[in-house]
Amino acid sequence: GEDVEQSLFLSVREGDSSVINCTYTDSSSTYLYWYKQEPGAGLQLLTYIFSNMDMKQDQRLTVLLNKKDKHLSLRIADTQTGDSAIYFCADNSNSGYALNFGKGTSLLVTP
Amino acid sequence: ETGVTQTPRHLVMGMTNKKSLKCEQHLGHNAMYWYKQSAKKPLELMFVYSLEERVENNSVPSRFSPECPNSSHLFLHLHTLQPEDSALYLCASSEEEGYYEQYFGPGTRLTVT
Repeated sequence: GEDVEQSLFLSVREGDSSVINCTYTDSSSTYLYWYKQEPGAGLQLLTYIFSNMDMKQDQRLTVLLNKKDKHLSLRIADTQTGDSAIYFCADNSNSGYALNFGKGTSLLVTP
Repeated sequence: ETGVTQTPRHLVMGMTNKKSLKCEQHLGHNAMYWYKQSAKKPLELMFVYSLEERVENNSVPSRFSPECPNSSHLFLHLHTLQPEDSALYLCASSEEEGYYEQYFGPGTRLTVT
């Protein structure tokens, strides 16, 4: 599949908002996803957005999609220490069979 | 509870050993996947099975051999591995192949010595 790029690390204080950014290259992607991986666990789907949308809100999570710039972001409001994890951006450009993941962004939330 | 279980959770093996990883999904899904997760690299798709038929083999070396005896079980047979094969091996399932909400197991942490 085409490249999905993310920054590797982000550190925020508890209670602040976190914004994790992602860029992708394949404009044929119809869905874009955010997965969360806690230590010692597999990946868990957090949310996804269809490519004809530019925003989706789900409780503390807001996904913004700029299709022109191929840029996706995940905003976590009121970040808690339990949000510390690795966040993966993914698209469905990988030959149609499975997801194409970025390297993941490690989010550290400090008290 | 993820609905996808993997055993063992940790495995240490020598380069001449033969071992198998097991994945089981309790979700009634028809598609199952093996991914390799190495440090500082994107998740790499290894194999995709749909209704027990392999539909994707992503240029994986033959020292990795998958088996899908039924839609609930997926194995990854390992033999004569190399130290660079040390990684977290993740199994996932979805309702259908190409149905993109995937459910992941916790992974098997493999160390090849």
